[in-house]
Amino acid sequence: DIQMTQSPSALSASVGDRVTFTCRASQTINTWLAWYQQKPGKAPNVLIYQASSLESGVPSRFSGSGSGTEFTLTINSLQPDDFATYYCQQYNTYPYTFGQGTKLEIK
Amino acid sequence: EVQLVQSGADVKQPGYSLKISCKGSGYSFTTCWIGWVRQMPGKGLEWMGSVFPGDGETKYSPSFQGQVTISADKSTSTAYLQWSSLKASDIAMYYCARQCGDPYYFDYWGQGTLVTVSS
Repeated sequence: DIQMTQSPSALSASVGDRVTFTCRASQTINTWLAWYQQKPGKAPNVLIYQASSLESGVPSRFSGSGSGTEFTLTINSLQPDDFATYYCQQYNTYPYTFGQGTKLEIK
Repeated sequence: EVQLVQSGADVKQPGYSLKISCKGSGYSFTTCWIGWVRQMPGKGLEWMGSVFPGDGETKYSPSFQGQVTISADKSTSTAYLQWSSLKASDIAMYYCARQCGDPYYFDYWGQGTLVTVSS
């Protein structure tokens, strides 16, 4: 199985900050990577697919980059609604696998 | 509007069987895969497997192969996840999610079904 490793596991930031999360794959996944946001008690919601494509309806302050084994999710100008847990997921190879998540907390 | 509506929370005793459902609407149910994702309390997301309702093809994670059965009924636009004998370790929230392609990400999710196993 392809292992997905996210860093950091948790991050404290303030409204208006710019934050970046990292996701590393144990082998190349080309750009078959998605980022999801999950709020407590809710289903995940896709933000980015194909490593850098913004899902329809997602604010443009979210952006993704990377290919191969290294990927990043950046949020510009954090808003109060952005404090949540973020997961990356590879869909290059079955079994699909998720990272362990990064919890974004208010400083 | 695309919607995936899951069956309600369920409580079962260990050893009992259970089948939870996910009903799709607002799109052609037979043209997209439906995946199931487990989230144990306080933990991350795990892909369990997926079914293609058009022909019933299934794919399973090795971690869940033989532990659950995934199926779909295209006549009712409903996908299912079932257990023949529940264990305490099956306590989790289970989500269904749509993937319109192979490979593809999960673009729409159900609201989740909480499964509790307790004697």
